[in-house]
Amino acid sequence: DAGITQSPRHKVTETGTPVTLRCHQTENHRYMYWYRQDPGHGLRLIHYSYGVKDTDKGEVSDGYSVSRSKTEDFLLTLESATSSQTSVYFCAISESAGVSGNTIYFGEGSWLTVV
Amino acid sequence: SQQGEEDPQALSIQEGENATMNCSYKTSINNLQWYRQNSGRGLVHLILIRSNEREKHSGRLRVTLDTSKKSSSLLITASRAADTASYFCATDGKTDKLIFGTGTRLQVFP
Repeated sequence: DAGITQSPRHKVTETGTPVTLRCHQTENHRYMYWYRQDPGHGLRLIHYSYGVKDTDKGEVSDGYSVSRSKTEDFLLTLESATSSQTSVYFCAISESAGVSGNTIYFGEGSWLTVV
Repeated sequence: SQQGEEDPQALSIQEGENATMNCSYKTSINNLQWYRQNSGRGLVHLILIRSNEREKHSGRLRVTLDTSKKSSSLLITASRAADTASYFCATDGKTDKLIFGTGTRLQVFP
């Protein structure tokens, strides 16, 4: 299994509070991604990073911010959590860009409930 | 949205039967990949097919790609109960990110 650790794995938080999810990798892969998974929508890309301090938006980036200060860590922040952000969040990594055909490796997911 | 769609959304079969699921996507691609997700777990890569390939095999998996129709199919032959999972296609859209489809839930009964 790829060395990807997500934390926390489960969290319940109240509407309006900030939340940070952490993804840590030990593979030294350049690309890191945050996806959310919801019934009926499959996986949707939130943000991704192609290097330290290099990030870009995905399909559903509103309400989320990210930071990558080290190769191994990619943080996803919900500045003010809303009930619509209740979801399962997956971190993923890859050696190079999607267009190169590299495999993406996934973490085990973080279950977030906003009440 | 660039997101692809899998069809059917859900599929139930008996062990030993073949399972076929389809993926349609919207933009030009360099590669298309298929992933599997067991309940409550992360996704795991199954197979990649490049845009200049029409068919690819890996064990009991057979993938086809028709770029003119922007579609792909995944065939699992001689299904086993352990194949029960959700299956997703993912396309690159000639960009540096992978966009996943909505998935097919496969249930294989013993």
